[in-house]
Amino acid sequence: NAGVTQTPKFQVLKTGQSMTLQCAQDMNHEYMSWYRQDPGMGLRLIHYSVGAGITDQGEVPNGYNVSRSTTEDFPLRLLSAAPSQTSVYFCATAEGTNDSPLHFGNGTRLTVT
Amino acid sequence: GQNIDQPTEMTATEGAIVQINCTYQTSGFNGLFWYQQHAGEAPTFLSYNVLDGLEEKGRFSSFLSRSKGYSYLLLKELQMKDSASYLCAVRGDTDKLIFGTGTRLQVFP
Repeated sequence: NAGVTQTPKFQVLKTGQSMTLQCAQDMNHEYMSWYRQDPGMGLRLIHYSVGAGITDQGEVPNGYNVSRSTTEDFPLRLLSAAPSQTSVYFCATAEGTNDSPLHFGNGTRLTVT
Repeated sequence: GQNIDQPTEMTATEGAIVQINCTYQTSGFNGLFWYQQHAGEAPTFLSYNVLDGLEEKGRFSSFLSRSKGYSYLLLKELQMKDSASYLCAVRGDTDKLIFGTGTRLQVFP
């Protein structure tokens, strides 16, 4: 039981490049989400999904796309990377009830130069 | 809008007790969570409160007052390994879980 798996762990991009951050879970959780964490800003919600085929925007969605074609996977796409997207990205999942805590992946550290 | 406030930093001594406060203003309320995050690691779940009162889990307790929009995390018998950031997060009237900026706790011998 791997839990929440994020790949890659580290990535360096040049401005304008695109990439996809992968998130996979084997806990059959309905709820999946992406956060970014910056010094002094805390964790900010980018996008989230309450089930396969359903996605919605969080607090800071601009510059990011998501899709949820299966229960297990929730990739985050950066179409044209900008230095402002340098951050640590966490994928987090939950069972989908109000009292369900988030389970976090180990994070992806992204640098955009 | 939604706002969650926590102190930025706190220090304490090994063996002591420390209280980390969190105040919130959200659209609706469906629960408050506390997470612990060690430097360079992912957050891990500590506690959940949805009703007023105190929830105790070993050395850690969490308190909620919904009428005051206030919670605290109480850490007893502090150990060096408790040096970490403590994150308060609130689920409002949507499915979103919104986090405060976190409180960095340093425990000294």
